[in-house]
Amino acid sequence: NAGVTQTPKFQVLKTGQSMTLQCAQDMNHNSMYWYRQDPGMGLRLIYYSASEGTTDKGEVPNGYNVSRLNKREFSLRLESAAPSQTSVYFCASTDRDFGVGNQPQHFGDGTRLSIL
Amino acid sequence: GNSVTQMEGPVTLSEEAFLTINCTYTATGYPSLFWYVQYPGEGLQLLLKATKADDKGSNKGFEATYRKETTSFHLEKGSVQVSDSAVYFCALSDRTGGSYIPTFGRGTSLIVHP
Repeated sequence: NAGVTQTPKFQVLKTGQSMTLQCAQDMNHNSMYWYRQDPGMGLRLIYYSASEGTTDKGEVPNGYNVSRLNKREFSLRLESAAPSQTSVYFCASTDRDFGVGNQPQHFGDGTRLSIL
Repeated sequence: GNSVTQMEGPVTLSEEAFLTINCTYTATGYPSLFWYVQYPGEGLQLLLKATKADDKGSNKGFEATYRKETTSFHLEKGSVQVSDSAVYFCALSDRTGGSYIPTFGRGTSLIVHP
């Protein structure tokens, strides 16, 4: 099983460039998430999609946009990259119906993004 | 709001030593609790979980008990191996509006020496 697949795995951008990070899951999960991981900060939620057709802001949404393209795919876009967005980005999904909160998240292997 | 506090690392141990990584939480509701492990260059993987008070989650020799009275979920292992070297994250899942939003601690790095 592929699980959660993120592309690309590595990327270097210049300040001001735009980019879309792709995420796809093959587990028929309802909810999908985007996080960034920075040293000493743990995981911070950028955006999430509780179900197909909905998206909501997380803790650190500024400078990002998302699209839940269908049930499988959830993309993260940086419209004008800034050095402060240098980070490792993780996509996750969970099989979480309304009223059920005990399902774990399944993570991709991450996208390592550097902005010069 | 919700929060998770973990002991700061790195935690450095010799092989076969006893491991404890402390985790405490604050939550507005009745959360589910999780421990995840992250190996270098990889994403997080579920290690164990507990969904109600006094539940004990266990996996691969690791254990954690959901203590509602002390709002804690400490991770323990009786005898660590070099292969346990990784970063460990405590997390909770609690309802916010109509969705379950996860909250993660900052992670604790474990280094096990032969």
